[in-house]
This record gives sequence, C-alpha cells and structure tokens, in this order.
Amino acid sequence: DQQVKQNSPSLSVQEGRISILNCDYTNSMFDYFLWYKKYPAEGPTFLISISSIKDKNEDGRFTVFLNKSAKHLSLHIVPSQPGDSAVYFCAAKSNTGKLIFGQGTTLQVKP
Amino acid sequence: DAGVIQSPRHEVTEMGQEVTLRCKPISGHDYLFWYRQTMMRGLELLIYFNNNVPIDDSGMPEDRFSAKMPNASFSTLKIQPSEPRDSAVYFCASSSRDRMFFGPGTRLTVL
Repeated sequence: DQQVKQNSPSLSVQEGRISILNCDYTNSMFDYFLWYKKYPAEGPTFLISISSIKDKNEDGRFTVFLNKSAKHLSLHIVPSQPGDSAVYFCAAKSNTGKLIFGQGTTLQVKP
Repeated sequence: DAGVIQSPRHEVTEMGQEVTLRCKPISGHDYLFWYRQTMMRGLELLIYFNNNVPIDDSGMPEDRFSAKMPNASFSTLKIQPSEPRDSAVYFCASSSRDRMFFGPGTRLTVL
C-alpha cells in the first residue's frame, strides 16, 4: 500500500522553462512534507519542505504547493537548469516521526 | 561533520551468503533509518530507531532481515541468507527534528 505516490516516473523540460513535479498522498494525518533530490551514486539531499498549516513555501527557484483537500503537493522549479537534472522524491512525515517516500520522478532538463 | 557514513559502498555476494551493512549516523541525531531504493517502490522504509531503540520494523521484508543499533553511533543491517531479489541500494539516514540526512548508500548485488 503506497501512501505517497509519484505517478510520473520521468519528466523532460527545456532549460529556462518551468518544471512541475507532482505527488499525492493518502493519509490525512501527515503533517509535514518534504522534497529530496538525488544524483546518481549519492544519497538523497533535502531540498524544500512545507508544513501542513501552509499552502505554499518558496526558496529561490523552488516552490512547493500543498493542497490538503486534494491530498496533493507539487514542486515547481523556475527557471529549470541542466544541473537540476536528478531524481526527485517527495516525502510525508507521520506523527510518529517516520518519513514515507514516493517512488521518485526523474527530471531531465535539456540545454 | 562528515555526514552519515555507510560501509561498504558496494557489495557483491552470492546467494545464500550473509551480508552486513554498516552505518554511522551524524553525531547528536536521535533518529536512524534504513531505507531500500528500488525502481518499483522508490525509497522504502525498512526500519527506524529512536534513541537506539527500534520503533517500527514493519517494513522489514522478511525474517532474513535484521537490524541493530548497539549505541548512538553505530547501526547494522544484516541479511541472512541473501537472495538475488535483495539486490538494491540500501540507504541509512539520521535525523534530528524534521531534517533527515542520508548516507551515500550501499549498492548490494546478490548473484
């Protein structure tokens, strides 16, 4: 039972355009959401997060949106750069402290 | 701080052999997690510890998997006997509050 789902395994965008990565979750008890970025042969690294009491959090080129009624969050990257090419994982934190991750979306930004 | 340290980085073994993966978390972090990355399920939580105590091992796939955390600076994940379907990248992560830091992972190949 996948509580956090990323339904798009891959995404390809042109440099300078917007990248939108989507994530859906099923458990309404999740109270904190995060995005991690992973390059090949490295561990995932934290990118941006959002609390369930907010609907938007912005950090430079990265913005995360949360729609609690739809149990949906998205990551926007504007403008996209070739160095953004990586696997992006969304994660949700339960009140027990554990993080549950989605399957990941591979983003390719073409020059 | 050196970050989360995992060893070995790569492990190739034959079916039926015992495999032990090692992890040194970031000093001061009170949570430690073991994840497995697969194409189908993304980052799958196997087990996590809080203050060296196992909290949730519901993600451990079978009795062949076991994990220990004898002290705050060391944890092991053991597979005995190993099978080809265990081939994956295994990540250890540690956290304090809401930020989780991953190690570089151990790529396990079981022939």
